[in-house]
Amino acid sequence: DAGVIQSPRHEVTEMGQEVTLRCKPISGHDYLFWYRQTMMRGLELLIYFNNNVPIDDSGMPEDRFSAKMPNASFSTLKIQPSEPRDSAVYFCASSFKAGNTEAFFGQGTRLTVV
Amino acid sequence: QQQVKQSPQSLIVQKGGIPIINCAYENTAFDYFPWYQQFPGKGPALLIAIRPDVSEKKEGRFTISFNKSAKQFSLHIMDSQPGDSATYFCAATPRAGNNRKLIWGLGTSLAVNP
Repeated sequence: DAGVIQSPRHEVTEMGQEVTLRCKPISGHDYLFWYRQTMMRGLELLIYFNNNVPIDDSGMPEDRFSAKMPNASFSTLKIQPSEPRDSAVYFCASSFKAGNTEAFFGQGTRLTVV
Repeated sequence: QQQVKQSPQSLIVQKGGIPIINCAYENTAFDYFPWYQQFPGKGPALLIAIRPDVSEKKEGRFTISFNKSAKQFSLHIMDSQPGDSATYFCAATPRAGNNRKLIWGLGTSLAVNP
């Protein structure tokens, strides 16, 4: 398996524009997580899904952020409208339901909002 | 509210030294304590993990020491190498069914000088 695949790797957008980040989890994984990483706040869990259903979205900063998982192999994180303070690295991760709780991370999307 | 406190924020050691990174938690419901390693431009990757029924776990040069009564756990890297230079994150997750929400420390940037 190629691991968790995120796209794009880098995104530069202007304030007010819509941004969509994409993630393909590892095949067979039941859980999918979206994280945001900044120097000031470290790794923050935004939302996670179990079997495509959102379980905990308490980390989503505000209504400008939304996430969907239409099927087991694809998820999106959307920011509309984007703001400069949204600039960060966004990670997607996935894990199995059974056994240990190791999360496998993608390479991340570096978002810059100017 | 930071539920997992990690220290130090940064650490510099010479090759062969034994860096120690400490984490403290408050929630007694936590029952799984992983350490993740992150290299620049990459997502975090699981390094080693421990459950509170043991006081120590070793995997190669990496050791977790766990003190349940003090609610503290630490990562020791024996015979550190320049290739160990990375950011290390401790984390914890609570007991309870299928909960997979990891609570993260803020990270320790480790530099191992040749």
